Amino acid sequence: DVKVTQSSRYLVKRTGEKVFLECVQDMDHENMFWYRQDPGLGLRLIYFSYDVKMKEKGDIPEGYSVSREKKERFSLILESASTNQTSMYLCASRTERASSTDTQYFGPGTRLTVL
Amino acid sequence: SQKIEQNSEALNIQEGKTATLTCNYTNYSPAYLQWYRQDPGRGPVFLLLIRENEKEKRKERLKVTFDTTLKQSLFHITASQPADSATYLCALEADSWGKFQFGAGTQVVVTP
Repeated sequence: DVKVTQSSRYLVKRTGEKVFLECVQDMDHENMFWYRQDPGLGLRLIYFSYDVKMKEKGDIPEGYSVSREKKERFSLILESASTNQTSMYLCASRTERASSTDTQYFGPGTRLTVL
Repeated sequence: SQKIEQNSEALNIQEGKTATLTCNYTNYSPAYLQWYRQDPGRGPVFLLLIRENEKEKRKERLKVTFDTTLKQSLFHITASQPADSATYLCALEADSWGKFQFGAGTQVVVTP
């Protein structure tokens, strides 16, 4: 059974803190994605990675960075958390570009609250 | 600008009836469109994919249509059950590879 796990289900941080959200997939997928989901706005792509050490900006990369040192792990970093980054964060993975119509597999999400 | 839109109002439906959800998009030319189901507090789960050259796709009680002229996909749940209650999202891969765009989702509530 395919699996995408995220390090925390719930996280509370203070404004200005550096925040790390971790995502691990066990499917040997090349592509990994970070989204945030807000009511009425749907999922918005923050960053994605098509291979180790490769990354591309999504639609809302400002205030975020990512790291992919190993194929199975994709980290989202909030350099200095702000209250407007309070959201549900979802990680996803999918197989390589040659099968680009394959589905994305999502993790359970991390609900981040920034106070 | 590019947009993907779904009905924002919840769809309340009686058990056994057919639920029909709409996904409209503008300024995209997607090669395919996907539908996902999302339960509260959980990540989306893939349901169906329909390609631009397919008019209709079925999976058990689910049916999806794709009209590239109207720029619209319809998602049907036939013989709906309370267990079908969830939010349903449509998604397409924008012109840039890897840049998926999701609709905001439509909540479906099936009452016995």
